[in-house]
Order: sequence, then C-alpha cells, then structure tokens
Amino acid sequence: AQSVTQPDIHITVSEGASLELRCNYSYGATPYLFWYVQSPGQGLQLLLKYFSGDTLVQGIKGFEAEFKRSQSSFNLRKPSVHWSDAAEYFCAVGLDSNYQLIWGAGTKLIIKP
Amino acid sequence: NAGVTQTPKFQVLKTGQSMTLQCAQDMNHNSMYWYRQDPGMGLRLIYYSASEGTTDKGEVPNGYNVSRLNKREFSLRLESAAPSQTSVYFCASSTEITNYGYTFGSGTRLTVV
Repeated sequence: AQSVTQPDIHITVSEGASLELRCNYSYGATPYLFWYVQSPGQGLQLLLKYFSGDTLVQGIKGFEAEFKRSQSSFNLRKPSVHWSDAAEYFCAVGLDSNYQLIWGAGTKLIIKP
Repeated sequence: NAGVTQTPKFQVLKTGQSMTLQCAQDMNHNSMYWYRQDPGMGLRLIYYSASEGTTDKGEVPNGYNVSRLNKREFSLRLESAAPSQTSVYFCASSTEITNYGYTFGSGTRLTVV
C-alpha cells in the first residue's frame, strides 16, 4: 500500500539557521508530491508541488524541495528560517489513479529565538 | 476573497445529536473533500466528491454521510455524534486530477461530549 513517512514529529531550529524536513514515500511509480504548511488554528496552505521535470522545485515563502527518485524522498528545505515559519508541515503524495492525496503525519517546526 | 468557506468554526455536541458541517467553494473546482485531523494522525479522508453528482468513501467514512448539493457545496453530516468524532474537520477542493493544488477551508473544531 502507498504510504508517506515524515520521520520527525518535532524539529527545533534556531532563527536564521537552515532547515530540512524529511519526507519519504512508498509508491511504485513517480507520484505527484506536495508540501503543505499549517499555522496554528488555520487550514493547510500549499507550499510547493512536484509533478515532473526539474527535480528541484521552488515554493512560496522561500521554501524549496528536491525530489530524489533513488531515495523515494521529497525533502523540504529553507536556507534561513524566520520565527513566522513555526508551524506544522505536511508532505503528501497524489496518485494518478484517483483523486486522493496520501498524507504524512506531519512535522511540527519550533523556532528558537 | 476566493476560497473555501466552512461553517461553523466551532461546535459542541452531546452524544447522539446530529449536525451538518457546511462547505462551499467559489473557485469552480470540480473535486471536493472532507478530512478529519487528529493529533499525531495527520489528515484522514472521510469522503470525497470527484465531480458534481458523485461521492465516494475515503479512509474513515463510518458515522458520516455527505451531500454534494451542487458544484459549489459539499456538506458533511453526523447522524448520531460519538465522542470518537471529536476532531478538527477540514473541507478542501481541487481542480482536475492532474493539477491537485488543494485549497483548504479554515476548519471546524467539533467536540462531542
């Protein structure tokens, strides 16, 4: 069965430091890949998505993600985090066969001043 | 502003009561979804509607019913609420299958006592 794993439940990063959030998926073909962000008490907002082509994709708020087929990974990165980046981040995989997204359990990002 | 509107934002129910969560989108999206979010479990799909006139079960449909009233509106009904249905409920919509880009509502926080 298809699955998405975000191995880190919480990550704490100092403001100004770099960030990498991990996402691994299990799926036979190349899926559609997404990162969403959820601020406290809010709905989810799309950060970026990968469908095909260049494996390094740029998103909003200075985030980027790299698709690595050999590792079945789609890690999210940001070179310098800001306090406003504190939120929960969800990786999701879309399958061509239906309209559903499969979601990771989320990684909560905590920013140290 | 264009987007997905959910009502109500908060609700407290007694066990056995019924209620309907409303969702409307004004982006002319074909597909709509209902998710529940519980701590540590990510997002779980309850029902979805790939297009007007169709609905399908997701991962956790038991205890819920849905109605795709028209292209804009997709409601979720709890016929006899149970404490296990205490959760945050999100409605989302998307365009055709090759361009997911889900747009989420801001959520309904439901407590069943």
